[in-house]
Formats: sequence, structure tokens, C-alpha cells
Amino acid sequence: AQTVTQSQPEMSVQEAETVTLSCTYDTSESDYYLFWYKQPPSRQMILVIRQEAYKQQNATENRFSVNFQKAAKSFSLKISDSQLGDAAMYFCAYRSASGSRLTFGEGTQLTVNP
Amino acid sequence: EAGVTQSPTHLIKTRGQQATLRCSPISGHTSVYWYQQALGLGLQFLLWYDEGEERNRGNFPPRFSGRQFPNYSSELNVNALELEDSALYLCASSSPLQVGNQPQHFGDGTRLSIL
Repeated sequence: AQTVTQSQPEMSVQEAETVTLSCTYDTSESDYYLFWYKQPPSRQMILVIRQEAYKQQNATENRFSVNFQKAAKSFSLKISDSQLGDAAMYFCAYRSASGSRLTFGEGTQLTVNP
Repeated sequence: EAGVTQSPTHLIKTRGQQATLRCSPISGHTSVYWYQQALGLGLQFLLWYDEGEERNRGNFPPRFSGRQFPNYSSELNVNALELEDSALYLCASSSPLQVGNQPQHFGDGTRLSIL
């Protein structure tokens, strides 16, 4: 079974600074997808960024980028120029290429200080 | 386009009662997923429906059940409610194309409180 681990329960960053959230996973599969979701207090899960395991190039979405290390099974999220609206719980998630369920990490609560 | 909608927003029940939660997927999405987000337990996969059929099930007892209707909306039913069923229940939907590649889009959730 796949597992996802986020070792940082809480992180904080100053507005306009850069922060990196860590995620590691365990799988025996070679083809899969990785996602970062954010859950603000409004509680809706919002997709931030996704990465296909077969792609070596790291995904980027505006201020959000990932560092995907397939051999190390590591998938960190970097948020540049942090904004107050980035404050949320961030979840790393794994999904097999055959589809179906997302397996989530425990989450990292990000605080952005003005 | 309208997102995933869930109702009710909040549901209060007592032990032993039955609860029904509803979800309408994004237009064009045929897959619906249910997750439980309980305090201290993180997000746990409950059920996956696609084209009206239950495709996969998480590690939950049979009193958690559901169905998907011809319009792809879905219901989650929880029978014989227990205190530990108190949680946020999230519904997600995805496009059927290349299943694994399609991200799941989530609704705002239903907060189920058991008294």
C-alpha cells in the first residue's frame, strides 16, 4: 500500500518570502501522479499543482513549484513571494496511474506573517 | 462552470440515527469520490463511483454505503451512526479521461456532528 508522509505539521513564513513544504511517499509502482492541495479555513480542497511521475521536469504554476525526486520518493512544494492568502493547510497526495483513490499526507499548516 | 456542490453544509445527528449526504459533480465528470476528514485521522478514502457503479471502497464498515444516480450525482449514507463518525465528509469529482491523470476537484464538504 502507498503511504504519504508530511513531516512538518506546521510552518510559518514572512510575507514575500519563500517557503518549502516537504513530502515523501512510499510506493512500489513506477507510474503515478502526485498532487499538492490547499485547504483554507473555508475547508474546500483546492488543487495547487500536480506532477506526473514519468516527467522529469518539475511542475510549476505561477508562484508554486515542486522539486520532484523520483529515486528519493520526495515531492516538495516551494511557494515563492508568499502572500497572506497562501495561509492554509497543505496536503500532499498520491494517486496510482490506474486511477481511483487519492492517498493523502497528514498535512502542513502554513502561517503567513505580515 | 459550477464546481462540486455538497449538501447539507452541516448535519447534526444522534447516535444510532442514519445520515444522508449529497454531492453533485462538475458537469461532464462521471467519477465521484467520497473522503472522510476526521480530527486527528487526516483524509481517508471512503468510496469511488463511476458510471453508476461502485468501483472501489476504502477500509470502512458496511454501514457506510452510497450510490450514484444516472445524472452522476451521488449520495453517501451512514447507518447506525457512532460518535467517531463525526467528521468533515468531502466529495470530489473527476473527468473519466485517463483516470489517473485527471485531478479530483473537491466540494466544500458536509460537516457531520454526532451528539
